Amino acid sequence: VQLVESGGGLVQPGGSLRLSCSASGFTFSRYTMHWVRQAPGKGLEYVSAISTNGGSTYYADSMKGRFTISRDNSKNTLSLQMSSLRADDTAVYYCVKDGQLELPQYYFDYWGQGTLVTVSS
Amino acid sequence: SYEVTQPPSVSVSPGQTASITCSGHQLGNKYTCWYQQKPGQSPVLVIYLDTKRPSGIPERFSGSNSGNTATLTISGTQAIDEADYYCQAWDSNTVIFGGGTKLTVL
Repeated sequence: VQLVESGGGLVQPGGSLRLSCSASGFTFSRYTMHWVRQAPGKGLEYVSAISTNGGSTYYADSMKGRFTISRDNSKNTLSLQMSSLRADDTAVYYCVKDGQLELPQYYFDYWGQGTLVTVSS
Repeated sequence: SYEVTQPPSVSVSPGQTASITCSGHQLGNKYTCWYQQKPGQSPVLVIYLDTKRPSGIPERFSGSNSGNTATLTISGTQAIDEADYYCQAWDSNTVIFGGGTKLTVL
């Protein structure tokens, strides 16, 4: 299993950024996928989830209306579109695989290496 | 909103047993899991569904969850176990992480 994030970088407050995650080594279309973030020197924070077919999504309260999760099962790719970014969105964003086939159990058995998003003027 | 609480730090001598707790209201009614994170690395799942150990995780790692407390136990702690440990619970599609516990092996 390999999860490789990309798209992080420096963005100004109020700006937008799109993160991508390329997945391999497992049947991507059969697993719920998630994003988890970690601010520098801080703990883990759950961001978002998307069901196997993309028909169901979940967002943590502070991300609702600003972040959009999506997936392309034909390309084994997970994405996170982030807008109206704030300084407190600065974090390493991890692409994460659910540990359970089909129905999620919300434990995360594989993590990407993370991509750093810095929101600053 | 639901919260889980971990002690900021735990110290243990090599070869001894380390216990890291995670507390929350009726936490025993939810599934919990534990992650180990070493500096500069991504988290690694060490316990899931309260007590299960992923393949490749040493047997010295075990978990329990009852009442208001989930516990990660590391028996015969080794220097390589020094890391941050995070508990995580989920219920009704809500995922909550604890604040993390720094385990020091000295």
